[in-house]
Amino acid sequence: NAGVTQTPKFRVLKTGQSMTLLCAQDMNHEYMYWYRQDPGMGLRLIHYSVGEGTTAKGEVPDGYNVSRLKKQNFLLGLESAAPSQTSVYFCASREGQGSGAQHFGDGTRLSIL
Amino acid sequence: GEDVEQSLFLSVREGDSSVINCTYTDSSSTYLYWYKQEPGAGLQLLTYIFSNMDMKQDQRLTVLLNKKDNHLSLRIADTQTGDSAIYFCAEGAPGGGNKLTFGTGTQLKVEL
Repeated sequence: NAGVTQTPKFRVLKTGQSMTLLCAQDMNHEYMYWYRQDPGMGLRLIHYSVGEGTTAKGEVPDGYNVSRLKKQNFLLGLESAAPSQTSVYFCASREGQGSGAQHFGDGTRLSIL
Repeated sequence: GEDVEQSLFLSVREGDSSVINCTYTDSSSTYLYWYKQEPGAGLQLLTYIFSNMDMKQDQRLTVLLNKKDNHLSLRIADTQTGDSAIYFCAEGAPGGGNKLTFGTGTQLKVEL
C-alpha cells in the first residue's frame, strides 16, 4: 500500500550540481505533479503530466525539467542547482476521473549550498 | 488568476471547536479540498466538497461552502492535540491538467 513514493528524502547539493528527484506511484494514476513548498508561500506547481509521455509547465517551471517515460514514474531534474531552489519538493498523483483529489508523497528536502 | 487566501495561525484549547477559513477567487472551481500537513510529512487529504453542495460532514469534520462569497470553512469538533498541524485549502477546476491552487496554509495549535 505504498501510494506515492519519493526518493531521496534528503539531499544537499553544491551550486551548479545536477540531480534528479524520482516520484513513483502504484495507483495507476494518469496525472502526476511536482510542487515546491517554501515558507509562507504554500505549494507552487512546477510541472505536471496528464499521461505517459506528456509534460506541461506549471507556475514556476524555470530551472527544472521533467520526464514521464513510464506511467508510474515522474522525474524532476535540476540541471544546474541554485540556492533559490532550496526547498521541499512534493510529488502528487491523481486518477483521471472522480473528485480530482491529489495524493502526495512525503517530500524531498533539498538544500543547495 | 486564481488566488486562495487563508489566515496564517489559529490557536484553540483542547476540546473546543476549530474553524479554519478560506476564500478563493475562481468561481469555476469544481471541487474544493482540505489537506492536513503534519511536521516533516506530506499533505494528507482530509475531505473535499463538490461545488454544488453547501455542506459536508465527516465524523468530526464539517465543511461549509458559501459560493456566493467564494468562502470555504473547515470546522473540527472536539479538537485534540493530534489535530495540531498546517491545514491547506485548495481549489480545482476542470481542464488544463486539473491543477489545484493551494492557499498558504493555516497553522493550527491546540493547547491543553
